[in-house]
Amino acid sequence: GENVEQHPSTLSVQEGDSAVIKCTYSDSASNYFPWYKQELGKGPQLIIDIRSNVGEKKDQRIAVTLNKTAKHFSLHITETQPEDSAVYFCAASKGYQKVTFGTGTKLQVIP
Amino acid sequence: EAGVTQFPSHSVIEKGQTVTLRCDPISGHDNLYWYRRVMGKEIKFLLHFVKESKQDESGMPNNRFLAERTGGTYSTLKVQPAELEDSGVYFCASSHGNTIYFGEGSWLTVV
Repeated sequence: GENVEQHPSTLSVQEGDSAVIKCTYSDSASNYFPWYKQELGKGPQLIIDIRSNVGEKKDQRIAVTLNKTAKHFSLHITETQPEDSAVYFCAASKGYQKVTFGTGTKLQVIP
Repeated sequence: EAGVTQFPSHSVIEKGQTVTLRCDPISGHDNLYWYRRVMGKEIKFLLHFVKESKQDESGMPNNRFLAERTGGTYSTLKVQPAELEDSGVYFCASSHGNTIYFGEGSWLTVV
């Protein structure tokens, strides 16, 4: 089955700096890669996703990149703000099958 | 449009008791998933319904867990009898296409 690894497990950045979270996946058939943000006491909220026919996608301060050859994908958050502090999960899936999550990255933005 | 709703939001039960978690997916979503996050670890897949049929139940930990989705609408996840290691947060999610939307979770504590 699919295996998703995520690094780092914790990340502290100063407000205004950038944050980068990296993931790798094992199943070359995976074609959908969502990123979720989980705030304390809440469920995972989809913040951005990318499909395998696209190499990069951007939405305001958030961008994702995908390298299918290397089976890497990354989340980039620019101009970080305190409200960006949360646990971020990368995930991978193929078709309409289950999503396999990474282990999560706890991001702390220091004001 | 209402999101995925879960009930109860929090539950504390004694070891050996039974708990039933309920999930109402987004209206029109045929795909319904159960996940759980135990002890701050990764979010792990439990099972996947397509309408009322179990598409994939490979993540169900043991026969103390029973999931149903009669009529293809809401779903229930019953834990009987509950054990201490079942404590965690149980997430329900639903999708129509690739994009999976999560509920806020049912936080279960077994004492």
